[in-house]
Amino acid sequence: NAGVTQTPKFQVLKTGQSMTLQCAQDMNHEYMSWYRQDPGMGLRLIHYSVGAGITDQGEVPNGYNVSRSTTEDFPLRLLSAAPSQTSVYFCASSYPGTSGYTFGSGTRLTVV
Amino acid sequence: SQKIEQNSEALNIQEGKTATLTCNYTNYSPAYLQWYRQDPGRGPVFLLLIRENEKEKRKERLKVTFDTTLKQSLFHITASQPADSATYLCALFNAGNNRKLIWGLGTSLAVNP
Repeated sequence: NAGVTQTPKFQVLKTGQSMTLQCAQDMNHEYMSWYRQDPGMGLRLIHYSVGAGITDQGEVPNGYNVSRSTTEDFPLRLLSAAPSQTSVYFCASSYPGTSGYTFGSGTRLTVV
Repeated sequence: SQKIEQNSEALNIQEGKTATLTCNYTNYSPAYLQWYRQDPGRGPVFLLLIRENEKEKRKERLKVTFDTTLKQSLFHITASQPADSATYLCALFNAGNNRKLIWGLGTSLAVNP
């Protein structure tokens, strides 16, 4: 049982490049979300999904796109990377209701 | 404004003592509150959830209290061990929000042998 798997673990991008951060979960969780974590800012919600085919914006969605074609996968796309997107990105999933979130191990992204 | 606050100063305690971490909030009506542990370079790990109608929840050496009048949750680790050293995050689920947790910045705990 792998839980939530994120790839890659580290990435360096040049300004203007695009890339996709991958997130997959094997727990049949309906809810999935992407966060970024920055020093002094805490965890901020980028996008989330309550089920396959349904996505919505979080607190800081600009510059990011998501899709949810299957229950298992929830990729995050950076359209045109900017230095302000340098951060650690976490994917999380959970069952509906009041269950806790299961987080991936994170992707450390640096945009130069 | 709406805020969720955790003690920003690191907490240093001696092994065997009880660690108590605080989570205060203003202008929210949380349906429940969660506590997570985060180690450096890792994602948060879910520890405990407490609902608005619960005063206390326990799990092994962990205890969480929730006082909606004081707008505060306390997180206790009894008989602390060096392995308990980590950052502890609280997160609340505000009534009316569509599955969006609101996160505190976390408190760093160091348990000294």
